[in-house]
Amino acid sequence: EPEVTQTPSHQVTQMGQEVILRCVPISNHLYFYWYRQILGQKVEFLVSFYNNEISEKSEIFDDQFSVERPDGSNFTLKIRSTKLEDSAMYFCASSSGQGAVEKLFFGSGTQLSVL
Amino acid sequence: QKEVEQNSGPLSVPEGAIASLNCTYSDRGSQSFFWYRQYSGKSPELIMFIYSNGDKEDGRFTAQLNKASQYVSLLIRDSQPSDSATYLCAVDSLYNNNDMRFGAGTRLTVKP
Repeated sequence: EPEVTQTPSHQVTQMGQEVILRCVPISNHLYFYWYRQILGQKVEFLVSFYNNEISEKSEIFDDQFSVERPDGSNFTLKIRSTKLEDSAMYFCASSSGQGAVEKLFFGSGTQLSVL
Repeated sequence: QKEVEQNSGPLSVPEGAIASLNCTYSDRGSQSFFWYRQYSGKSPELIMFIYSNGDKEDGRFTAQLNKASQYVSLLIRDSQPSDSATYLCAVDSLYNNNDMRFGAGTRLTVKP
């Protein structure tokens, strides 16, 4: 069964460093998303991406964040200068965009720890 | 601002019982409603979606939607210990469908 894959599964970084989280969405999907979940808290929307551009972003997704689809398969989230409060599980998701109901399929997540 | 509210629980039911999970939402423009299951340390897994008022059944799961009351629920019949997880309610808008919002989740424990 097709799945969304994320790498790495764990990332430890020093505060102020840049990190890039990588995702390979399901191959025929058109919409891509990043969510994050701080330990014990709700899943929070960060950004959605369609047709090679950001379609929507939340207030969390400030200038320190950027997304890119550098080729036909990868979808990346970059955090330019990490802060302690960026420590969270980051989930990539994708959907086909077909029909009236957007069903998101999530990757297994990258646990980011900022020290 | 869309808000999705769930009782955080924990909700504890005995094996074989019906578990009832509830969710309310604030955006009347919401069109699609989802229930995800999340095991500890794992990613959310879609188990049901509903977009029409009424009930939708899939195996042991039934989703119920009442748009007038802005209420969506999930019933799990014949609960099993493997159903123990956090259940996330998620709400989407057909007219703004790029930022699905999640509730904080209800933790369900099914006791053998």
